[in-house]
Amino acid sequence: GENVEQHPSTLSVQEGDSAVIKCTYSDSASNYFPWYKQELGKGPQLIIDIRSNVGEKKDQRIAVTLNKTAKHFSLHITETQPEDSAVYFCAAPTGAGNQFYFGTGTSLTVIP
Amino acid sequence: NAGVTQTPKFQVLKTGQSMTLQCAQDMNHNSMYWYRQDPGMGLRLIYYSASEGTTDKGEVPNGYNVSRLNKREFSLRLESAAPSQTSVYFCASSEVQARSYNSPLHFGNGTRLTVT
Repeated sequence: GENVEQHPSTLSVQEGDSAVIKCTYSDSASNYFPWYKQELGKGPQLIIDIRSNVGEKKDQRIAVTLNKTAKHFSLHITETQPEDSAVYFCAAPTGAGNQFYFGTGTSLTVIP
Repeated sequence: NAGVTQTPKFQVLKTGQSMTLQCAQDMNHNSMYWYRQDPGMGLRLIYYSASEGTTDKGEVPNGYNVSRLNKREFSLRLESAAPSQTSVYFCASSEVQARSYNSPLHFGNGTRLTVT
């Protein structure tokens, strides 16, 4: 199967600063890497994803970078705002593509 | 367009009782999943259904059964609940998952289950 590790488990930043969350994965055949945001009492929601044929993808203040050689990918949030406070999860599929394994989550707090 | 709908939202069971968690999606997705979420452990896959008519075990299937009733609905059954099954359960769906292509998961808002 796939082993996904996520760091840090908690992260506090001042409003306006940047936040970076990192994940590593084990299955070299994995080719799709999504990031999810979970707010209290709700299910996770996709915020950005990247496929293995690109190294970086940006969507306004959010970006994801992928290093396939090192088998790690990172979420970058710039100009953080209080509404960015949530739990963030990374995920990776098995090489067979039919199961997703999730990291253990990062609780991000943005301090106004 | 409701997305993924889970019922009930909350449930308290006594040890040994049974129950079925319901999930329905209105996005015409082929694949559906059941995950459980426990503090510090992320989301762990219980069972999945790659397409209508098929189901497969995930990472933590023991104590659970599933039924893919039709393309829209995927239920999770606890035959004899145990305190270790106290958790938040999430259903998810996706358009397709295959070796050559993955699509995002869409999650419901969860069922919070307590087994005493």
